[in-house]
Amino acid sequence: GEDVEQSLFLSVREGDSSVINCTYTDSSSTYLYWYKQEPGAGLQLLTYIFSNMDMKQDQRLTVLLNKKDKHLSLRIADTQTGDSAIYFCAEKIDRGGKLIFGQGTELSVKP
Amino acid sequence: DSGVTQTPKHLITATGQRVTLRCSPRSGDLSVYWYQQSLDQGLQFLIQYYNGEERAKGNILERFSAQQFPDLHSELNLSSLELGDSALYFCASSVNVGGIEQFFGPGTRLTVL
Repeated sequence: GEDVEQSLFLSVREGDSSVINCTYTDSSSTYLYWYKQEPGAGLQLLTYIFSNMDMKQDQRLTVLLNKKDKHLSLRIADTQTGDSAIYFCAEKIDRGGKLIFGQGTELSVKP
Repeated sequence: DSGVTQTPKHLITATGQRVTLRCSPRSGDLSVYWYQQSLDQGLQFLIQYYNGEERAKGNILERFSAQQFPDLHSELNLSSLELGDSALYFCASSVNVGGIEQFFGPGTRLTVL
């Protein structure tokens, strides 16, 4: 079935690295995504990875994909207070545009 | 700013009423998607339109309908509203039908009293 799971909360200190994890059940995922939602705002597309890739790096963001374990992670290096937000993992499983979202991980960055 | 606009920002109405939410996609985008974000269901895909035609349907109630107009803006109509329809409704857009990169609008917060 279609299911994406994330832990609900993560708290880190400013300057540390944050790692947000996600697991999904559908092995036919084509693309996997990370979106960021700040309070009162829409979802901002942070990064995404094609399912035949293992890793993608974009400035402070590193995405790791383990297809065998159906596990996706987002590492934020040198986390800043401005990174405090809810981070959503999502998967796309077919040629259409439907995205299936996890429940979101609230990242709290303490100074 | 994603370039996707949604109006209104907030909407407060009563049970049984009907409302229309409006979305304008990014310039050049042909696909429009509607998602509902609620506390109990999370973020759920409702429906996708591409160049005026319905392309995919998710967990959209029969009381809800959508359309995409020739100028590519889209409207989501919600009727016979219930308390449980209170949610944030997001519109997203993408260049093509595959929707690899979807850009989200700021959302419309609907409160049903």
